Amino acid sequence: DAGVIQSPRHEVTEMGQEVTLRCKPISGHDYLFWYRQTMMRGLELLIYFNNNVPIDDSGMPEDRFSAKMPNASFSTLKIQPSEPRDSAVYFCASRTKKDSPLHFGNGTRLTVT
Amino acid sequence: AQSVAQPEDQVNVAEGNPLTVKCTYSVSGNPYLFWYVQYPNRGLQFLLKYITGDNLVKGSYGFEAEFNKSQTSFHLKKPSALVSDSALYFCAVRSPNTGGFKTIFGAGTRLFVKA
Repeated sequence: DAGVIQSPRHEVTEMGQEVTLRCKPISGHDYLFWYRQTMMRGLELLIYFNNNVPIDDSGMPEDRFSAKMPNASFSTLKIQPSEPRDSAVYFCASRTKKDSPLHFGNGTRLTVT
Repeated sequence: AQSVAQPEDQVNVAEGNPLTVKCTYSVSGNPYLFWYVQYPNRGLQFLLKYITGDNLVKGSYGFEAEFNKSQTSFHLKKPSALVSDSALYFCAVRSPNTGGFKTIFGAGTRLFVKA
């Protein structure tokens, strides 16, 4: 099992540009989560999906952020337009049952200049 | 609403000494509790969990944690620390009854183990 795979590992972009982060969950995992990690705010849950359906997006900061899960093996988190305050490490995680632990990818470090 | 508190930003311990990383939580109903570890430039890795049953749970790398319902705590412990244990540790809570299926994380505690 390759684990949760995220791409790219690093992304540097200019303010105003569109950014797309990608995630491939572990096969068979029904739940997929997007988190953002910063020094100031720690780990924040942005959105999560169950069986490809968004369940709770209350953590998405604003309309510039959107997430999709077109199938069980792929999800994207898009920021358009990006701003310097979006600079953070974005993690994708997946799991199976309600009492199962989360499996995290290695994250995408986003820098917006 | 569910929340997790890790009162210490940093814990320093000498190699070979016991270590404790503290965690308290607030949640309605019976919580699912987790500990994760994060090494530099990596995602979080699962260490152990408490769902039900014995209050003392054992996990990876010799770590263990004790669930204390009356004190709403779930402290992480290890009898003898290693330099390689130095990392960032996160406590997390999930409340299936009221929190949906979200996992909420504490702010993290950085553990330094000195040789």
